[in-house]
Amino acid sequence: GENVEQHPSTLSVQEGDSAVIKCTYSDSASNYFPWYKQELGKRPQLIIDIRSNVGEKKDQRIAVTLNKTAKHFSLHITETQPEDSAVYFCAAKGDAGKSTFGDGTTLTVKP
Amino acid sequence: NAGVMQNPRHLVRRRGQEARLRCSPMKGHSHVYWYRQLPEEGLKFMVYLQKENIIDESGMPKERFSAEFPKEGPSILRIQQVVRGDSAAYFCASSPVGLAYEQYFGPGTRLTVT
Repeated sequence: GENVEQHPSTLSVQEGDSAVIKCTYSDSASNYFPWYKQELGKRPQLIIDIRSNVGEKKDQRIAVTLNKTAKHFSLHITETQPEDSAVYFCAAKGDAGKSTFGDGTTLTVKP
Repeated sequence: NAGVMQNPRHLVRRRGQEARLRCSPMKGHSHVYWYRQLPEEGLKFMVYLQKENIIDESGMPKERFSAEFPKEGPSILRIQQVVRGDSAAYFCASSPVGLAYEQYFGPGTRLTVT
């Protein structure tokens, strides 16, 4: 089955700096890679996603890159703000339906 | 369009009791997924269902756990004879027919076994 590894497990940055979270996956059949943000006690919320036919996608301060050959994808947050502090999860999904999640990255943005 | 609904939001059960968790997908969505999240851990897939059909239950424990998604009504995750290790947040997510990529999560049910 699919195996997703996520790094780092914790990340602390100064407000205004950039944050990068990386994930690798094992199943070459995976073709959809979403990123979720989860605040304490809340539900995971989809913040950006990318499909395997695209190498990069950007939405304001958030961008995701995908390297299919190397089987890794990354989340980039620029100009971080304290409200970006949360746990971020990557996931990989194929046509079979289920998503496999990484173990999460706790991002802390210091004012 | 209401989002994914889950109830109850919090559930306390004593060891040995049964827990029933309900999930109503977003309107128009016919795919439901259940995930378990232990404290300070990631989301672990449990089961994927469509109406009246279990598609993938590879993440479900072999005993005590079952799930259904009937033709009418919510999807139900049932845990029989709960143990303390079952204490976790249980999230369901739904996705639309024909576009089973984006998953939208419900608010979760936090199960505490005493």
